[in-house]
Amino acid sequence: QQQVKQSPQSLIVQKGGISIINCAYENTAFDYFPWYQQFPGKGPALLIAIRPDVSEKKEGRFTISFNKSAKQFSLHIMDSQPGDSATYFCAARNKAAGNKLTFGGGTRVLVKP
Amino acid sequence: GAVVSQHPSWVICKSGTSVKIECRSLDFQATTMFWYRQFPKQSLMLMATSNEGSKATYEQGVEKDKFLINHASLTLSTLTVTSAHPEDSSFYICSARLGGGLDTQYFGPGTRLTVL
Repeated sequence: QQQVKQSPQSLIVQKGGISIINCAYENTAFDYFPWYQQFPGKGPALLIAIRPDVSEKKEGRFTISFNKSAKQFSLHIMDSQPGDSATYFCAARNKAAGNKLTFGGGTRVLVKP
Repeated sequence: GAVVSQHPSWVICKSGTSVKIECRSLDFQATTMFWYRQFPKQSLMLMATSNEGSKATYEQGVEKDKFLINHASLTLSTLTVTSAHPEDSSFYICSARLGGGLDTQYFGPGTRLTVL
């Protein structure tokens, strides 16, 4: 059972465009929602994270939008650059379950120059 | 801050041998570390949760005797793949939990294991 569903699986965007990745979850016990960026052959790097009591968080070109009632959250990458080409994973943490992270399936983003 | 290292970054071994992978939190103490496995073009799969000074908690379907985890100190956890076989070939990634206000997981760079 996939507890965090991520879409799309892949995304191609032009340089300067906006990349949008969506995630949906079912477990209302999740209390923390980080996004990770992973380059080939490397470990995931924490990009930005949000707690469910906040509807939006922005850090530079990266913004998380969070809709608690719909149990959905999304990552927006503004002014996408070729260096942003990577795989992005949303995740959800259940503190009551030992702080485990449940990952979405990942989105491969390609930014064309 | 919040740097996690792994060693080795890649390893090739013969079938039947054991391989040890180290995970270190370099600038913080981590009471909890996690071990993940990732196949090509797939998401991360949690294998086990490692707590300092206690036995690891394994996810369903993960063989405890196959993947030995030791968390001997607040900055070091090790994963030993025993009697490795080609199907154990994968990308193994650890993470360390930074508690306190941020309380998030920081990941190591991963270890590529190839079993011949």
